[in-house]
Amino acid sequence: AQTVTQSQPEMSVQEAETVTLSCTYDTSESDYYLFWYKQPPSRQMILVIRQEAYKQQNATENRFSVNFQKAAKSFSLKISDSQLGDAAMYFCAYRLGGAQKLVFGQGTRLTINP
Amino acid sequence: GAVVSQHPSWVICKSGTSVKIECRSLDFQATTMFWYRQFPKQSLMLMATSNEGSKATYEQGVEKDKFLINHASLTLSTLTVTSAHPEDSSFYICSANRDKANSPLHFGNGTRLTVT
Repeated sequence: AQTVTQSQPEMSVQEAETVTLSCTYDTSESDYYLFWYKQPPSRQMILVIRQEAYKQQNATENRFSVNFQKAAKSFSLKISDSQLGDAAMYFCAYRLGGAQKLVFGQGTRLTINP
Repeated sequence: GAVVSQHPSWVICKSGTSVKIECRSLDFQATTMFWYRQFPKQSLMLMATSNEGSKATYEQGVEKDKFLINHASLTLSTLTVTSAHPEDSSFYICSANRDKANSPLHFGNGTRLTVT
């Protein structure tokens, strides 16, 4: 079974600084997708960024980028120029290609210090 | 963009009663929807996959008779918590996506269930 591990229960960063959230996963499949979701206090799940496993290029969305290391099964999220609105729980998630259900990591609570 | 609506946002019920939660895809058809459960300060755990026109697929350890899922149309799935008990109190979230292999899942806003 696929598993997703986030080893950092909590992280904090100064506003305007850069922070990296870690995620590793375990799979024997070659066709899959990886996601980072943000869950603010409202508990709404918000897609931050996604990566297709077949793409070597790291995905980027404005201040958010990933470091996808397929051989190491690592998928970290870098947030640049952190803003107060970035404070939330962040979940790394895996989805097998063709299937649709997501497997989530344990989550990392990110605090932004003003 | 695609929107998934979940209702109610919160509900309080007494032990022994049943509660129904609705999940609707507002501007797309979803043959498959997913129901997750989230305990405080924990991650989302998949409970079941709701399949339009057929039986739901439940994850290991999830009681089928306890959590009834009905997916009668391409835009609506319902989760009924039967004979609710305080340990069923949790946050329930549904999700769906357009029927494309690499489409991201869209989530409802969740339902906070409190059983007294």
